[in-house]
Amino acid sequence: GAVVSQHPSWVICKSGTSVKIECRSLDFQATTMFWYRQFPKQSLMLMATSNEGSKATYEQGVEKDKFLINHASLTLSTLTVTSAHPEDSSFYICSAISGSRQETQYFGPGTRLLVL
Amino acid sequence: KQEVTQIPAALSVPEGENLVLNCSFTDSAIYNLQWFRQDPGKGLTSLLLIQSSQREQTSGRLNASLDKSSGRSTLYIAASQPGDSATYLCAVSTGANSKLTFGKGITLSVRP
Repeated sequence: GAVVSQHPSWVICKSGTSVKIECRSLDFQATTMFWYRQFPKQSLMLMATSNEGSKATYEQGVEKDKFLINHASLTLSTLTVTSAHPEDSSFYICSAISGSRQETQYFGPGTRLLVL
Repeated sequence: KQEVTQIPAALSVPEGENLVLNCSFTDSAIYNLQWFRQDPGKGLTSLLLIQSSQREQTSGRLNASLDKSSGRSTLYIAASQPGDSATYLCAVSTGANSKLTFGKGITLSVRP
């Protein structure tokens, strides 16, 4: 089956620093990748949709200048949390859609971010 | 705006019991519905995907049904095992490449 990886799996950083999270599709080309955020005991909330080679589409209420998304290739998308604050602490999960199987989203294992 | 509800938030059952997890959604104009499993601190594992034109899907001990007109889906787990303990998430989409709208999930605990 299709595999999506995320790196790092967890990160602790100081308030004010920037953190980059990578999402990779390992054995397929991902035409579309999604970034979700999950707070404790809450559902996954979509942050943005990224298509390879174009600008990401952000959901209402998500600051595009704070959460920078780059989808430079068909196998890699990155999410950079700029000037992180404690309220950005969350579980960030990416998913990817294969160009050949557009109905199924394959999810990464998630990245837990803790901002001190 | 699509909203997905899963009630109850948590469920505890003895091993061997058959159980049903419920999911409801407000907008019946969906493309498909998926059930996922999430273990603590982990990502999501897709369990079953039901297209809007389908009524049910089966995989092993799992059976998911969809009643699009009433905005409901159920996940049936037969002969539950302790290894089934996890959070089960329901999600709907409105198109082939579109985002998923998730419920908050049901945390299942199967007691040995």
